[in-house]
Order: sequence, then C-alpha cells, then structure tokens
Amino acid sequence: GENVEQHPSTLSVQEGDSAVIKCTYSDSASNYFPWYKQELGKGPQLIIDIRSNVGEKKDQRIAVTLNKTAKHFSLHITETQPEDSAVYFCAALGDDKIIFGKGTRLHILP
Amino acid sequence: DGGITQSPKYLFRKEGQNVTLSCEQNLNHDAMYWYRQDPGQGLRLIYYSQIVNDFQKGDIAEGYSVSREKKESFPLTVTSAQKNPTAFYLCASSIGRSSYEQYFGPGTRLTVT
Repeated sequence: GENVEQHPSTLSVQEGDSAVIKCTYSDSASNYFPWYKQELGKGPQLIIDIRSNVGEKKDQRIAVTLNKTAKHFSLHITETQPEDSAVYFCAALGDDKIIFGKGTRLHILP
Repeated sequence: DGGITQSPKYLFRKEGQNVTLSCEQNLNHDAMYWYRQDPGQGLRLIYYSQIVNDFQKGDIAEGYSVSREKKESFPLTVTSAQKNPTAFYLCASSIGRSSYEQYFGPGTRLTVT
C-alpha cells in the first residue's frame, strides 16, 4: 500500500523567510496530493492540493511542487508570518484512501 | 452555517467502559471518515464510509465500531477492547468518489483512566 514520508518533523524559520517541507510517496499510481494545516487543538484544514497532471501550483504565499518521476512533492511557504506557525501534513491518495505523513511542526521566530 | 461538528470536545472515561463519539455534517457529503491522532504519528484511518449503510475498516480498526444509518451522521464507538484508547479523534467528510478533498471536524480528545 501507499506510504508517505515527511521531513523535517520540526522546522524553525525567521519571520519573513521561506519554509520548505518535503514528502515522498511509494505508490506510483497515486494522483492526488493534498496539504493540510493544523492549528493547536483544531482539526486539519486543506490549504492546497495538486494532481499528478501538473508540476506546480501556487496560491498567494503557498506553492506545491510535484516530481512524479522521483515520487516526491514539496510545500513552499514564502514571506512567513506568525500565523503560519502550525503543524503541516502532506498526504497522498492510495488504494482509494488518503494516506498522511507524520507532520511537520513549523515555528515562525520573531 | 455548513460544516462538521464533533461533540464533546473533551471526554473522560474509566477503563473498561465503551464510549461513543459523535460526528455530524451538513455538507451533504457522501463519504465520512474517522482518524486517530497521536503525537508524532500523524493521522491514522480507523473506519470510513462511502455511502449510507456501508463502511470499511481502515488501518487501525481493532477495538472500534461505527454505524452509518444516516448520511449526516457517523458515530464512532471506542470499545473496552481498544488497548490504548486515549487519543485525539478526528472526523472528516468528502463529497465522495468524485472528490477526495476532505473537510475535518474540530476533534474530540478522549482520555481513559
């Protein structure tokens, strides 16, 4: 079945700098890759997703890139702000189910 | 005001007792899901349902049971057979097979002592 690895588990960046979170997946048939943001004590919220027919997608300060050959995808957050502090999860569709990575705790330093 | 509601937010139970967690959605979604979240473990799928009166086991179904008698509701029962039930439980829904975008509820933190 699908397996999703996510790195790093913790990331600290200075406010205003960029943050990058990377994920790899195992099932070459996967074709949908969402990213979720979870704030403390709340449920995850979808922030961006990408399908396998595109290599990059942007939404304001957030972008996701996908390399199907290497089976990895990344989340890029530019001009980070304090409200970006949260746990971020990548995921991939496998066997008709969404499989999640273990999460990255992002700290934005003042 | 559409969305997914989970109640209660915090739940405390004694070991050996069954407990049922509520999940309701008014998004008219066909599919619903239950996940368990532990520190450093990400989200692990317990059960999911693609349609009313049908559900499938996820990766960690042992010690849990569900029902899907109504489209809007997908309650999860944590039975006394679940060896380590203390966790944060998340319910989610999606439109169905045509869309995998999942919407999550606020979660229920269950503590069993």
